[in-house]
Amino acid sequence: GENVEQHPSTLSVQEGDSAVIKCTYSDSASNYFPWYKQELGKRPQLIIDIRSNVGEKKDQRIAVTLNKTAKHFSLHITETQPEDSAVYFCAASKGKDSSYKLIFGSGTRLLVRP
Amino acid sequence: GAVVSQHPSRVICKSGTSVKIECRSLDFQATTMFWYRQFPKQSLMLMATSNEGSKATYEQGVEKDKFLINHASLTLSTLTVTSAHPEDSSFYICSAAGQPYGYTFGSGTRLTVV
Repeated sequence: GENVEQHPSTLSVQEGDSAVIKCTYSDSASNYFPWYKQELGKRPQLIIDIRSNVGEKKDQRIAVTLNKTAKHFSLHITETQPEDSAVYFCAASKGKDSSYKLIFGSGTRLLVRP
Repeated sequence: GAVVSQHPSRVICKSGTSVKIECRSLDFQATTMFWYRQFPKQSLMLMATSNEGSKATYEQGVEKDKFLINHASLTLSTLTVTSAHPEDSSFYICSAAGQPYGYTFGSGTRLTVV
């Protein structure tokens, strides 16, 4: 079945450094890859997403890269700040639109040390 | 933007009783609703997918007679946890999908069964 693996499970960086989180997916039909930030007890918040017809997307300090051949995608956060500390989840879906289920990775707990 | 209202935010119930959780899409028609469960420090695990007017499709290992899902209208879906037990204690969160919006998450329900 569909599976999304995420690494690392925890990541600690110094403020100002970069953070990279990686995910791999099993279903080659997957075509939509969002990243979510979740703070304790709250709903996941979409921070960036990418579709399979694009290799890279950037939004200020956040970027996502996708390698369809290798079936993996990564989240890059530059110039990290303490408020970036949270749990980050990658996800994958293979629908043409959001009517198809999202499968989540296991999550990465990011700690940005001041 | 799209808003999904989820209630209650917290509920404590006695073992053996049933609890109903509601998700409403406030400003769009949710043709599909996803229900997730999240245990502490774990990922969001998809429980079921429901389309308006149809029976829900449950993920493997999820008991459909225990977790009753109703999606009778384009703006309301409910999850009823029947005969709840302490092991059902978790964070339950819905995600609504409907044009022109993507996945929109509810705020989640913290269920504690005592």
